[in-house]
Amino acid sequence: GENVEQHPSTLSVQEGDSAVIKCTYSDSASNYFPWYKQELGKRPQLIIDIRSNVGEKKDQRIAVTLNKTAKHFSLHITETQPEDSAVYFCAARTISGYALNFGKGTSLLVTP
Amino acid sequence: KAGVTQTPRYLIKTRGQQVTLSCSPISGHRSVSWYQQTPGQGLQFLFEYFSETQRNKGNFPGRFSGRQFSNSRSEMNVSTLELGDSALYLCASSTDSGGDTQYFGPGTRLTVL
Repeated sequence: GENVEQHPSTLSVQEGDSAVIKCTYSDSASNYFPWYKQELGKRPQLIIDIRSNVGEKKDQRIAVTLNKTAKHFSLHITETQPEDSAVYFCAARTISGYALNFGKGTSLLVTP
Repeated sequence: KAGVTQTPRYLIKTRGQQVTLSCSPISGHRSVSWYQQTPGQGLQFLFEYFSETQRNKGNFPGRFSGRQFSNSRSEMNVSTLELGDSALYLCASSTDSGGDTQYFGPGTRLTVL
């Protein structure tokens, strides 16, 4: 089955800096890659997603890049703010499956 | 539209008991997926239902089961509870499985004593 690895597990940045989280996946048939943000005690919330026919997608301070050849995708957050502090999960889903396979998460701390 | 709802929000059970959790998807959503979230294993897929049919199942023992009703509401059941079943159980709904976004409910926090 699909295996998703996520790095780093923890990330601390200063407010205003950029943060990058990287994920790799094993199944070349994966075609959908969402990113979720989960604040303490809250449900995971989708922040951005990308499909395999696109290499990059941006939404204000957040961007995701996908390299299908290398089977990795990354989340980029620019001009970080303290409210960006949360756990971020990447996920991948294959064309034939219905499950999202999640990475183990990255705990991001943005210090003022 | 109202979001995904789950009941109950918190549950305490003892080993050997069974438990039933409920999930009501967003109106119009026909796909419901269940996930187990633990600090050590992260988010793990349990199963997915669409139009009352289970279409995919994760690597969990047969003690974990589920079903979906004609109104798309879904339940999951865990029998013979073990300490290791303590977790946050999340359900997520989407319109279909064709690449659509999955929206998560708030989860049910299950504690097994």
